[in-house]
Amino acid sequence: AQSVTQPDIHITVSEGASLELRCNYSYGATPYLFWYVQSPGQGLQLLLKYFSGDTLVQGIKGFEAEFKRSQSSFNLRKPSVHWSDAAEYFCAVGAPGTASKLTFGTGTRLQVTL
Amino acid sequence: DSGVTQTPKHLITATGQRVTLRCSPRSGDLSVYWYQQSLDQGLQFLIQYYNGEERAKGNILERFSAQQFPDLHSELNLSSLELGDSALYFCASSVAPGAGNEQFFGPGTRLTVL
Repeated sequence: AQSVTQPDIHITVSEGASLELRCNYSYGATPYLFWYVQSPGQGLQLLLKYFSGDTLVQGIKGFEAEFKRSQSSFNLRKPSVHWSDAAEYFCAVGAPGTASKLTFGTGTRLQVTL
Repeated sequence: DSGVTQTPKHLITATGQRVTLRCSPRSGDLSVYWYQQSLDQGLQFLIQYYNGEERAKGNILERFSAQQFPDLHSELNLSSLELGDSALYFCASSVAPGAGNEQFFGPGTRLTVL
């Protein structure tokens, strides 16, 4: 069974500082990997995804993530955080093929101080 | 705006009651997913439909049922409600089944069971 671990429940960074949110997954092969963002009172929005190929993927809003097979990780990064990035971030894993189930991590709440 | 609509936005009801949550997918999307987000369980996949047929099932209770209609909208029925069913229920849609297809999330229905 697939699973996702986001070890940081809550992270606070200063505006303009760099950000890295951690995500580790458990799956027998290379899964599909996703990062979603949820702003207060909103649904989830896809930031980026990894299926195969280049292990560094670029997403929207200046985010990027790097897939590291050896560490079973898919960490999300942003070089300079903006106050509007304050939200909850979810890492998710899906199995390649026609099975559509996404398994989500518990989320990391990002607070940005001015 | 993801293009996925959910009604109602908020629902307050009593234990033992039955409610129906409604979801309209994005135009052109054939697959609909239901997720439950609660403080103790996190974001959990409940069930998926594709073009009217049940496609995948997750941690959905027997008291819960869903269906997708010919016009592709979906309804999630929750019966014999318990306090623990209080949660945010999300609907998502994608053009086709398979985790490789981006899922677009609606704004959610917040259910409160008193």
